[in-house]
Amino acid sequence: EADIYQTPRYLVIGTGKKITLECSQTMGHDKMYWYQQDPGMELHLIHYSYGVNSTEKGDLSSESTVSRIRTEHFPLTLESARPSHTSQYLCASSSDGRTSYNEQFFGPGTRLTVL
Amino acid sequence: KNQVEQSPQSLIILEGKNCTLQCNYTVSPFSNLRWYKQDTGRGPVSLTIMTFSENTKSNGRYTATLDADTKQSSLHITASQLSDSASYICVVSDRGSTLGRLYFGRGTQLTVWP
Repeated sequence: EADIYQTPRYLVIGTGKKITLECSQTMGHDKMYWYQQDPGMELHLIHYSYGVNSTEKGDLSSESTVSRIRTEHFPLTLESARPSHTSQYLCASSSDGRTSYNEQFFGPGTRLTVL
Repeated sequence: KNQVEQSPQSLIILEGKNCTLQCNYTVSPFSNLRWYKQDTGRGPVSLTIMTFSENTKSNGRYTATLDADTKQSSLHITASQLSDSASYICVVSDRGSTLGRLYFGRGTQLTVWP
């Protein structure tokens, strides 16, 4: 099992609240990712990072923001949550992409519900 | 457009039976293809990874095949168990970027009944 952790696992909050979803990995991976997944749908990349102080937006537009101050930590923040943000958020990490595999290891996910 | 299509969308089988899940992709340039297992409420866990030169790979009761010419892959599960109930996701990686972008299928939801 991969050493990548997400907290909280489940979060129910009211509209307008600021939230931060935590993601940490102990594998020393340079690359980290955030995906959004709705039930029965594919994962969509919303943010990624090549390393410390590097953050990029993914394929799916998201109102969330991320930061990468430490290699092992890649938190995602929503300044003002809305019901449309209700989804599962998955964090992943991978080692340097010079190999052809670039295998991504996923955390357990955070199920966010905004009322 | 890079896409990954999986079939069937859902499947119900009895414990002990075999099944085969399908994946068609249009991702180019192709790097590798992975099958992930995702339990409800959990993150995906890798089952197999295959590059262009590999046409079959096994992991216990899971056997994946790849036909790079027709851009098709299958995942065969032998002697299914109740714990096999999960979503099985086909993921294709391209080699056109340093990120190694992944393209995800929507998954096949497998239910194994006793």
